[in-house]
Amino acid sequence: DAGVTQSPTHLIKTRGQQVTLRCSPKSGHDTVSWYQQALGQGPQFIFQYYEEEERQRGNFPDRFSGHQFPNYSSELNVNALLLGDSALYLCASSLVGEAFFGQGTRLTVV
Amino acid sequence: GESVGLHLPTLSVQEGDNSIINCAYSNSASDYFIWYKQESGKGPQFIIDIRSNMDKRQGQRVTVLLNKTVKHLSLQIAATQPGDSAVYFCAERETGFQKLVFGTGTRLLVSP
Repeated sequence: DAGVTQSPTHLIKTRGQQVTLRCSPKSGHDTVSWYQQALGQGPQFIFQYYEEEERQRGNFPDRFSGHQFPNYSSELNVNALLLGDSALYLCASSLVGEAFFGQGTRLTVV
Repeated sequence: GESVGLHLPTLSVQEGDNSIINCAYSNSASDYFIWYKQESGKGPQFIIDIRSNMDKRQGQRVTVLLNKTVKHLSLQIAATQPGDSAVYFCAERETGFQKLVFGTGTRLLVSP
């Protein structure tokens, strides 16, 4: 079982650009959540997808958007990147209970 | 509002000691609590969870205690090993909601 996989592992973007991050959930999991983790902080909830719909959203601007595909994989899109968007972006998948996290994508905005 | 915080940002112990990491939460509507371990450059790794209808749950070398009266959660690690060195997060989830609310973490340093 591959677990939760995220791509890419690292990414450098310029301020104002757009970025797409990808997540494949653990086998059998149908729910995907995205979190942003700033250096030295705990992860902050961005949103969750279930049955290809956004089920809940955290306090993030509309620049952050997402999508879930029929195979349960998901994408996180961030438009008009700001320097403050630099962080580790984590994907977590779940079925009913505990959430399993991927290794994350380290995004650096310069 | 809701928040999950930790009392001690860094905990240093000797190998073989028992470690206790504490966490305070403020949302009385939370019904599910989880401890995660995060090593440098990796995603959080599930350690143990507990639901609000329980006050204690044990795993392999770990025990989670929940005191709903004072909104306090703790993680006990028995016979701490150097491989336990990491940042530990507690997280809570409110009934009917999906998101996990994390604290800022406690760094556990284990000396051989």
